[in-house]
Amino acid sequence: NAGVTQTPKFQVLKTGQSMTLQCAQDMNHEYMSWYRQDPGMGLRLIHYSVGAGITDQGEVPNGYNVSRSTTEDFPLRLLSAAPSQTSVYFCASSPGTYPLAKNIQYFGAGTRLSVL
Amino acid sequence: AQKVTQAQTEISVVEKEDVTLDCVYETRDTTYYLFWYKQPPSGELVFLIRRNSFDEQNEISGRYSWNFQKSTSSFNFTITASQVVDSAVYFCALSEERDNQGGKLIFGQGTELSVKP
Repeated sequence: NAGVTQTPKFQVLKTGQSMTLQCAQDMNHEYMSWYRQDPGMGLRLIHYSVGAGITDQGEVPNGYNVSRSTTEDFPLRLLSAAPSQTSVYFCASSPGTYPLAKNIQYFGAGTRLSVL
Repeated sequence: AQKVTQAQTEISVVEKEDVTLDCVYETRDTTYYLFWYKQPPSGELVFLIRRNSFDEQNEISGRYSWNFQKSTSSFNFTITASQVVDSAVYFCALSEERDNQGGKLIFGQGTELSVKP
């Protein structure tokens, strides 16, 4: 009964380092997305994917890269970490059935990232 | 432009009190969906309810109830007889049907509810 699994749960980086946040889902969902949560700002969409091989930018994509080679996995890459990327990152998935707006998004437990 | 506003940043109540969390949204779309999520201290986001723009019927689930009013663009959430386990951050979110290529959610800022024994 895993649902959406994110690893790691916590990470500390130095400015300029790169890393990949992992996200996997076992519900055969077509749609996956990444959000970041910052105090007083709710969650904001970084990137999303409507299926394997298809990705697109959300509201705050700068400094992040994604790819979707399989239905199950949707990793988020930080190319050169900056203190402004200190945040809690959530991965979500949904069935991707139409109408898309109706789909319930299922979230992972989050990754807390600090960039020093 | 689409927007969700949760004006109450923090609310503190004593156990057994009723509490209402406000949510106001803006959208130009005629078809949209509204959601509430709960984020307990453990950090995960838990889905609570979904409402579509054509269904203004209020909903009750145990101690939880939701009041959707299109005329005021509000989708408020009431907890009756609050309990300590209700302490969490609650998010209201909007998903528009038009130009929504992935079912993306627009979140409010969240309301942190603290229920004291």
